[in-house]
Formats: sequence, C-alpha cells, structure tokens
Amino acid sequence: DIQMTQSPASLSASVGETVTITCRASENIYSYLAWYQQKQGKSPQLLVYNAKTLAEGVPSRFSGSGSGTQFSLKINSLQPEDFGSYYCQHHYGTPYTFGGGTKLEIK
Amino acid sequence: EVKLEESGGGLVQPGGSMKLSCVASGFTFSNYWMNWVRQSPEKGLEWVAEIRLKSNNYATHYAESVKGRFTISRDDSKSSVYLQMNNLRAEDTGIYYCTRKGDYGNYLAYWGQGTLVTVSA
Repeated sequence: DIQMTQSPASLSASVGETVTITCRASENIYSYLAWYQQKQGKSPQLLVYNAKTLAEGVPSRFSGSGSGTQFSLKINSLQPEDFGSYYCQHHYGTPYTFGGGTKLEIK
Repeated sequence: EVKLEESGGGLVQPGGSMKLSCVASGFTFSNYWMNWVRQSPEKGLEWVAEIRLKSNNYATHYAESVKGRFTISRDDSKSSVYLQMNNLRAEDTGIYYCTRKGDYGNYLAYWGQGTLVTVSA
C-alpha cells in the first residue's frame, strides 16, 4: 500500500501569515493527490484535487503543487476560517490512503 | 445541491453486526462510484470500501482491515449505498462517512455528516 507522510503534525500561525503543509507519498502517484480541510465536529471537505486543481468555491489563497512523491498545500494570508485540520490523500487507486493530518491553530 | 445522509450507527458489542445506510440526493446516483471512509482518534482517516457502477458489474474494493467482514452494496433505484459490518471489533469504532467520488478522478468530492459506530462490551 502507498503510505502518505504529512508534515508538520501541528502548526501555529497568525491571521495574515502564509503557511505551507507538505505531503510525501511512498511511491510515485503522479498527480493523484487531494487535500481536505476539516473543522472541529464537521466532516472533511475537499479543497484540492489532482494535486493543484481547486475544488469549486475554494478561495484562491489556497494552492496545491507537486507531482510524483512530493506535494504541498500553501495558504496565503491566513483567515480566521482557515484554522482546523488538513489532510492529504492519494487517489491513484485502492486502497486510498490519507496522511496523518496537520492541525492548524491560531497563534 | 449534493447531499449524503448516513444512518444506522450506534453501540454494538464485539462480534456483533451493524448495517449503515446512506441516502444520496442532488446528483444522478447511478453514475458515481461511492465509498465509505471512517475516522478515529487512534487511526485518523481510513478508507474502508468502494463500490463502482452497474457497468463495472458493481465491482467492490475493501481495505485489508475489513476484508471478509464488511460488505458494501448499493441500490441505484433508492439512491442508496450500504455498509454491512459483521464480526465487529473494538478497532472498528469511529465515525463512518459516506462519500462520493469526483467528476475528474477518484478523490472524495462530497462527504456526509457521518454516523458514529461504537464497538464495546
């Protein structure tokens, strides 16, 4: 199975800052990588798919990049509503696996 | 608006069985692969099972951890997907989400609100 390693596990930042979360796949997954945001008590929501395509309605301050085994999610000018947890997931084929998550907290 | 609504969770004893249901609306259900994903504090997010289309002979795929114990099925006439869970273990405890794949790949474009399954004596 493909392992997804996400870092950092937690991150503290202030409103207006720019942050980057990284995800590494244990083998080549081309661009079959998605990012999800989850707020406390809610279900995950799709942010990015195919490594760099923003899901409908996702603000342009979010951007995804990478291919092969190295990926990143960048959030420019953090807003209060951006705090929560973020997960990467490969969608290259079953079993789909998720990263361990990054908890983004307000500094 | 796409909606996925799960039901059927609750408390079950180890070794017991439970069936989860998910009713979909807002899209042509029969055109989409459907998945179940679960989440627990111990394991994080874990993909559980997938069911494909009638044109794929309703092919199914499972995580190794549930293979032989869980069965995913669908009823396109009812826009519903199910997860039959047998021989439940404590490690199956978690929130179970019904999800729909996207239009451009196998990412999980839509998620239900989840239903909590607790396996405990």
